[in-house]
Formats: sequence, C-alpha cells, structure tokens
Amino acid sequence: SQTIHQWPATLVQPVGSPLSLECTVEGTSNPNLYWYRQAAGRGLQLLFYSVGIGQISSEVPQNLSASRPQDRQFILSSKKLLLSDSGFYLCAWSGLAGVRVDTQYFGPGTRLTVL
Amino acid sequence: GDSVTQMEGPVTLSEEAFLTINCTYTATGYPSLFWYVQYPGEGLQLLLKATKADDKGSNKGFEATYRKETTSFHLEKGSVQVSDSAVYFCALSDLSNYQLIWGAGTKLIIKP
Repeated sequence: SQTIHQWPATLVQPVGSPLSLECTVEGTSNPNLYWYRQAAGRGLQLLFYSVGIGQISSEVPQNLSASRPQDRQFILSSKKLLLSDSGFYLCAWSGLAGVRVDTQYFGPGTRLTVL
Repeated sequence: GDSVTQMEGPVTLSEEAFLTINCTYTATGYPSLFWYVQYPGEGLQLLLKATKADDKGSNKGFEATYRKETTSFHLEKGSVQVSDSAVYFCALSDLSNYQLIWGAGTKLIIKP
C-alpha cells in the first residue's frame, strides 16, 4: 500500500530563518507531487506541483521554493521566512495505478509558526 | 475559469440530524467531483468522488450525486455523529491539467 510522510509535524521558526520541509511517498513510483498551504481557518492554496524529478511548477510567486531531488521526495524551502509564511503545509500525491491522476492523497501536514 | 462554491460555515447540528452541505460548480466539460474531509489537526482524506453525470459517490454513510443539470454535488448524510465534526472540502478536477480546484471548505460541528 501507499503511504505519504511529512516532517517535521510541527515547527516554530523566527522571522528571517531558513526553512526545509520534507515529504516522501512510499509504495508507488513516478507520482505527481503537490505542496499546499492552509492559513488558519482558510482554504487550500496550491504552492507547487511536480510531475517528475527536477520538474517543478510554481503557482504562487513568493519567497518559497520547491525541489524534487528523487522520484518520491518533495522538499519545500525558504531562505528567509516571513510572518505570513505561518500556516499548515500539506503535501499530496496522485497517480495511483488504476486511478485517474486527478485523485490526490494527502500527508498529515506540517504546522509552521513563524514568530 | 472553473470554480467551486460551498455553503459557508460553520454548520452546527445535533447528533442524529440530517446533513446537507451544498456544493455548486462552474466548469467546461465533464470534470470529476470530489469531497474531502479534514479532521482537526490532520491532513485531508478523500471521502468520496464521482467521475460522470448521475454518478453517486458514497462512503462512511455520506453520499453525493453528480448533477450536471444543476451543476451541483451536495454532500448528504442521514444521521450525523459527533465524530463527523470536521471541515469538508468540495473540489473538481481541471481537465486541462488534472489539478484540483477547491472550494473554501465548510466547518461542520455536531453537538451531542
């Protein structure tokens, strides 16, 4: 079966510090990968998606970046965090064999607080 | 462009009440439609989906029917439980790139 992991689960960082959030998927190959942000009490905002290693599409211009160094690994980074970067970060994947690629499966999320 | 509109929350119900959460959409073509659920502090879980008109998705007592004529995909449950308290998201797939377009989410609160 497939599983998706995110770490850390929670993170408290000062303004101006760097960020690295990691997402890995097990039990599948060549998944589509997604990073979303959910601000407190708000809906989902797609930040980045990737259809393959080294292929990243950015949906929202901001101080975040994403990388996909391996087939099942997706990393969200920032060089300098802003207060507005606080939120709940969700990683998702799609491409389960036999299921249309538009069905996404989510990780447990990382709660980031920037102080 | 394509969009999804959900009823605003929070929706507060008593246990065993009937639930309806409205979702309407605008889209070209025939997208797939989804309901996801997010329990407090957790990621989203796929609740149910429908891929073509008149399809009914169902799971855990929840149902939703893909209504092309009214462009709707309302979520229903006959008897809610306290454990159903969560945020529910309606979404459709963008057929140009298979991304999901999300509604704003509806918070459901069930009181014992």
